[in-house]
Amino acid sequence: NAGVTQTPKFQVLKTGQSMTLQCAQDMNHNSMYWYRQDPGMGLRLIYYSASEGTTDKGEVPNGYNVSRLNKREFSLRLESAAPSQTSVYFCASSPGETGTYEQYFGPGTRLTVT
Amino acid sequence: SQKIEQNSEALNIQEGKTATLTCNYTNYSPAYLQWYRQDPGRGPVFLLLIRENEKEKRKERLKVTFDTTLKQSLFHITASQPADSATYLCAGPTGGFKTIFGAGTRLFVKA
Repeated sequence: NAGVTQTPKFQVLKTGQSMTLQCAQDMNHNSMYWYRQDPGMGLRLIYYSASEGTTDKGEVPNGYNVSRLNKREFSLRLESAAPSQTSVYFCASSPGETGTYEQYFGPGTRLTVT
Repeated sequence: SQKIEQNSEALNIQEGKTATLTCNYTNYSPAYLQWYRQDPGRGPVFLLLIRENEKEKRKERLKVTFDTTLKQSLFHITASQPADSATYLCAGPTGGFKTIFGAGTRLFVKA
C-alpha cells in the first residue's frame, strides 16, 4: 500500500516552460487535492476534486490546470511557468465521505522556476 | 476571510516537559479542527481531529482542546521526546471538503 505517490520529486524549469505534476493514490479515496507550500505561508489549496469527474478552484488557482484522470490519479499542469510558482507542491487525498475528513499527503515535489 | 493562525515562533522545550501549541481561528466557526505533523522534506501526517462539541480529545501522549469561546485549539504533547521535534499544523474546514491550514509551529525538543 503506497498511499499517495507524486512524481517527480524535484524539477527545475525555465520561465515559460510547461510541465505536469503527477499524483496517484491507492486508497480508493474519492477526494484529491493539490496544495503549494511556501515559507511562512502554510499550505494553500490550488485545486481540488471532490469526486471523480469533478474539479474546482481553490485559493490560488491562477497559472494552473488540473485533470482528474480517474479515481486514482489527479495531475497538476503548469502551462507557462513563472518564478512565482517556485514552491513545494503536495498532493493529498481523503475518503471524501461525511465524517471522515483527514487528508493523506504525498511526499511533495520541489519545483524551482528560474 | 476565514483564517487559521499559529504562533510562527519556534517552541523550544526540554525533554520530558509538556509542549503546548496554539491555534486560533478567525472569521468563521469550524465544525472541527485537525492537527498534522510535518517533518522536514516530507508531507504532513494526520494526527488528531476534534469536533466543536468535544472539549478535549486524547491519543497516547497527545491531547487537543477546542474552545469555541476563545476561538482556539490547544495541542499538547506530554513527556515530550526529541523525536517529537517537527512542525505541527492546525487545519479547519471551509466548505465542501476544502481545508485551510495554519502556517505551522516548529517544535524543538532538547535532550
